[in-house]
Amino acid sequence: AAGVIQSPRHLIKEKRETATLKCYPIPRHDTVYWYQQGPGQDPQFLISFYEKMQSDKGSIPDRFSAQQFSDYHSELNMSSLELGDSALYFCASSPRSRADTQYFGPGTRLTVL
Amino acid sequence: DAKTTQPPSMDCAEGRAANLPCNHSTISGNEYVYWYRQIHSQGPQYIIHGLKNNETNEMASLIITEDRKSSTLILPHATLRDTAVYYCIVRALNYGGSQGNLIFGKGTKLSVKP
Repeated sequence: AAGVIQSPRHLIKEKRETATLKCYPIPRHDTVYWYQQGPGQDPQFLISFYEKMQSDKGSIPDRFSAQQFSDYHSELNMSSLELGDSALYFCASSPRSRADTQYFGPGTRLTVL
Repeated sequence: DAKTTQPPSMDCAEGRAANLPCNHSTISGNEYVYWYRQIHSQGPQYIIHGLKNNETNEMASLIITEDRKSSTLILPHATLRDTAVYYCIVRALNYGGSQGNLIFGKGTKLSVKP
């Protein structure tokens, strides 16, 4: 079965640079969620989208923005990167009607030097 | 969403049943119990959920006490690949509303040993 695809899988950036993470949801899933997991931490919700509109917002820094496109894929844009942004970034998808059972991608490991 | 309490860690011998407890004494009537797990550095994986009846699927069984204040996730024959952090999450079933995000607590780190 098709799973959530995230790219790139690994990314190394310098402080103050920008990064773009991409997420391709499972076919026919119209809702996308982004989570951040710092070293030794539990996943924390950042933001979600349904039908290209932001549906929920969590602890996402103002330096980050995201959007969902007409093909339902989503991109997380991160600017002015800080050392503390080093983390695993997971994307998850679900049908709108079943946000309780989310399917997660393999994650993007971002390292900020 | 109701708060959950789980032991930080547990060990289990390979081939034996792993029983992971979760306390959720403030659960409300419309809230379900969900279990997800995260194998090291992989994305979390949905396991099972239930309201008040016991549930079983190909991965695990979920036993919820009659007063719904606690539950137990059972992996009947644990393997080394079941070593992971297991998260118990209590939340309302979501049908088209907002608040769709999952709130992960501390979870239980299960170590399955040969």
